[in-house]
Amino acid sequence: EDQVTQSPEALRLQEGESSSLNCSYTVSGLRGLFWYRQDPGKGPEFLFTLYSAGEEKEKERLKATLTKKESFLHITAPKPEDSATYLCAVQARDQAGTALIFGKGTTLSVSS
Amino acid sequence: EAQVTQNPRYLITVTGKKLTVTCSQNMNHEYMSWYRQDPGLGLRQIYYSMNVEVTDKGDVPEGYKVSRKEKRNFPLILESPSPNQTSLYFCASSSSADTQYFGPGTRLTVL
Repeated sequence: EDQVTQSPEALRLQEGESSSLNCSYTVSGLRGLFWYRQDPGKGPEFLFTLYSAGEEKEKERLKATLTKKESFLHITAPKPEDSATYLCAVQARDQAGTALIFGKGTTLSVSS
Repeated sequence: EAQVTQNPRYLITVTGKKLTVTCSQNMNHEYMSWYRQDPGLGLRQIYYSMNVEVTDKGDVPEGYKVSRKEKRNFPLILESPSPNQTSLYFCASSSSADTQYFGPGTRLTVL
């Protein structure tokens, strides 16, 4: 069964304190791995798509990496405005309809 | 501006009263989906559509209907809502290149 597990469930950081969020996945052939940011009561906002092991993408303070079993979202010198829930999702190669399988998310709180 | 819009954003209704949540996208995307988000369960796909007049069930389709008569619109229909359909609903769209873009959400409460 295709599955996505994110850890930790919650993470509290001080402003400037770098850390990483983990997304472990099992899928029958990975078509793509996606990272989204979600603010309370709002729709997920697309961050990155990764397609193959070894791939990395960056956007401001965020960097996403991918291996054959997991992905990391590295947050460098976070600011309070980075506080949100970060969602990881995978799309299986044999999935019709572009269905995304989501993890339950990591809620990040950054205090000044 | 490229976007996915949903209406209404908030809805409180009673058991058994039919309702429709509309979804529209202006990106000319072929694929559209509906998800529900519940605490502790995450986002789960309800229905999806690969193109006009082509729809199929996702992981949790019971109690829902959809239609895709136009490329830009993908309404979600609850013919007889029940309290277990109280949830936060998201519409999403994507091109064949598969990154999905989500709408702002519809918070539904069924009493």
